[in-house]
Amino acid sequence: AQSVSQHNHHVILSEAASLELGCNYSYGGTVNLFWYVQYPGQHLQLLLKYFSGDPLVKGIKGFEAEFIKSKFSFNLRKPSVQWSDTAEYFCAVSRNTGGFKTIFGAGTRLFVKA
Amino acid sequence: GAVVSQHPSWVICKSGTSVKIECRSLDFQATTMFWYRQFPKQSLMLMATSNEGSKATYEQGVEKDKFLINHASLTLSTLTVTSAHPEDSSFYICSPRAGSGSEQYFGPGTRLTVT
Repeated sequence: AQSVSQHNHHVILSEAASLELGCNYSYGGTVNLFWYVQYPGQHLQLLLKYFSGDPLVKGIKGFEAEFIKSKFSFNLRKPSVQWSDTAEYFCAVSRNTGGFKTIFGAGTRLFVKA
Repeated sequence: GAVVSQHPSWVICKSGTSVKIECRSLDFQATTMFWYRQFPKQSLMLMATSNEGSKATYEQGVEKDKFLINHASLTLSTLTVTSAHPEDSSFYICSPRAGSGSEQYFGPGTRLTVT
């Protein structure tokens, strides 16, 4: 079945550690890719998105993601995490078929130790 | 970013009653509205998609007669949970979009608790 897969359900890091969260999708064709963050008790916020162009995308709060088409991947990275990055991170994909509806991965819960 | 509001933010209702959730896009016209449901510690699951003035398209496993969606205008969509049961308790999130290929924005969500 077509899906969005996030490899890690829970990640625990110390402050200043580097972060990489994996995301793979199984849709063919042209896709739009997103990473969203949900801080405790808050609603979704867009971290970054890829529609076309440079496959290395810079987002807010020092996050970046790289689209590797051959691997169907869109991994999220941050070189040095902070305690305030503790949140849940969702990878999401929309396609140019099927009405561009956005499908979400299961999410990765990140806890950063101070 | 775009401003999306949902009302109410939290509602508690008795089993068997109906609840209406409103979603408004305050500073843009939403030609398409997506409704998601998020159970505790789970991801967002798409329930249905509606285009302004048209009937909603429901995802597999979502009962269209139970979750009534109205998208009568470009700035307002409603989701009515009819004859609610405790298993309908969840976080309901609307997501308006201005046009195909455009970014989706997300409302703050409505927490429904059915007792």
